[in-house]
Amino acid sequence: DAGVTQSPTHLIKTRGQQVTLRCSPKSGHDTVSWYQQALGQGPQFIFQYYEEEERQRGNFPDRFSGHQFPNYSSELNVNALLLGDSALYLCASSLGLGLALYEQYFGPGTRLTVT
Amino acid sequence: AQSVSQHNHHVILSEAASLELGCNYSYGGTVNLFWYVQYPGQHLQLLLKYFSGDPLVKGIKGFEAEFIKSKFSFNLRKPSVQWSDTAEYFCAVIAMTTDSWGKLQFGAGTQVVVTP
Repeated sequence: DAGVTQSPTHLIKTRGQQVTLRCSPKSGHDTVSWYQQALGQGPQFIFQYYEEEERQRGNFPDRFSGHQFPNYSSELNVNALLLGDSALYLCASSLGLGLALYEQYFGPGTRLTVT
Repeated sequence: AQSVSQHNHHVILSEAASLELGCNYSYGGTVNLFWYVQYPGQHLQLLLKYFSGDPLVKGIKGFEAEFIKSKFSFNLRKPSVQWSDTAEYFCAVIAMTTDSWGKLQFGAGTQVVVTP
C-alpha cells in the first residue's frame, strides 16, 4: 500500500521564478492538504483540496495556488518566489468526510531553496 | 487567533528516564488533538489522537497523552524512553469550526534527544 509520495525531493529556484510541487495521496484517500514548514517551526497550513476544489485555506498570499486532479493527486504552485518561501513543503492526505478527515498522513516533503 | 504552544524546544534525557512534553492550545470550543513524531530522516507520523471520550489516550510505541479541557492542555508522556525515541515531536489541533475543520494547526515542535 503506497503512502503519500511527493516530487521532487529537493528543488533550488531563483527569486522571482515559479515552482510546481506534486503530491500523490495514499491509496484510497481523496483529500490533499499542503503545509509549509520553515526551519525550526511547525508546519503551517496552506490549503486543502477535495473533489478538485479548494475547501480550506490558511493565511498564505495568492502567489500560492493549487490544483487537484480527478485521480486525487495535487499540485502546489508558487509564483514570484521570495527568499522567505524557502522551506519544506509537506503534503498530507486523508479521507474527505467524517472523522477520517482529521487523520492526515504526511509525505516526505519537498525541500525548496530560493536563492 | 488560535495557537498551539509547546513548552520546550529541546529536551535531553537518558534512556529509561520518563518523558513529558507539554502542549497548550488557545481555543475555547471543541477540538481534536494530535501528537505527531518525526524521526530523523523520516516523515511525520501520527503518534496518537484524541477526538472524544476517555481523556487519557494511548498511542503507538508506549506513548500516551492526557487531555485536560479545563487547562486547554494535551501533554504527551512516556514512562521509560529508549534511544530510538530520539525525534521531533509536534502537538497539533483541529478546531471544530466550519472554517477550521481539516486544518491542522501545529506547535513549533520539541526536539527530544535520548542519550544511551
